[in-house]
Amino acid sequence: NAGVTQTPKFRILKIGQSMTLQCAQDMNHNYMYWYRQDPGMGLKLIYYSVGAGITDKGEVPNGYNVSRSTTEDFPLRLELAAPSQTSVYFCASTPAGGLFPGELFFGEGSRLTVL
Amino acid sequence: GDSVTQMEGPVTLSEEAFLTINCTYTATGYPSLFWYVQYPGEGLQLLLKATKADDKGSNKGFEATYRKETTSFHLEKGSVQVSDSAVYFCALSGLSTGNQFYFGTGTSLTVIP
Repeated sequence: NAGVTQTPKFRILKIGQSMTLQCAQDMNHNYMYWYRQDPGMGLKLIYYSVGAGITDKGEVPNGYNVSRSTTEDFPLRLELAAPSQTSVYFCASTPAGGLFPGELFFGEGSRLTVL
Repeated sequence: GDSVTQMEGPVTLSEEAFLTINCTYTATGYPSLFWYVQYPGEGLQLLLKATKADDKGSNKGFEATYRKETTSFHLEKGSVQVSDSAVYFCALSGLSTGNQFYFGTGTSLTVIP
């Protein structure tokens, strides 16, 4: 039972480089989310998706892009990495939204450092 | 907009002490409320939830009651263990949030033997 799988777990980037954080879930969940976690700041929503082909910006989308071509995959693209993007990134999914949202299932996180 | 405010940490308790972590929320509708726990080096996992006013969520000895009149969802445990050391996050989600989950800043708990 894989759940939500994120890769890579750790990455160091140089300023201006680009990369993609991969996220895959095998639970057939429609809703998927990307968060970043900065020390003492809790979780900030970057982007989310309510189904294949549909994505929406969250609270802190600048510097990131996403796509959702399949139900399973929700990659997060960082273009022109900046030190401010140093953070731990979490992907999450849930089967339900609306009036009674379901449990969020989280990946183990991807720790990104931009130098 | 909708938001969650939770008690600042860190919190340090002795084993078997009583735990309370305060959480209050602001919401335009009637969201579901959640407590998530994050153990060192891991992602968040659901601890308990409540979907409507006066509901009590409970799990692993932890409890929280959805109080609409005080807009609160405080987390309690009668006797903490060393294994409860973690970061605890209060969160809300519902129709009014447009399928988004809003998290508090997290409260770090350390339990010492």
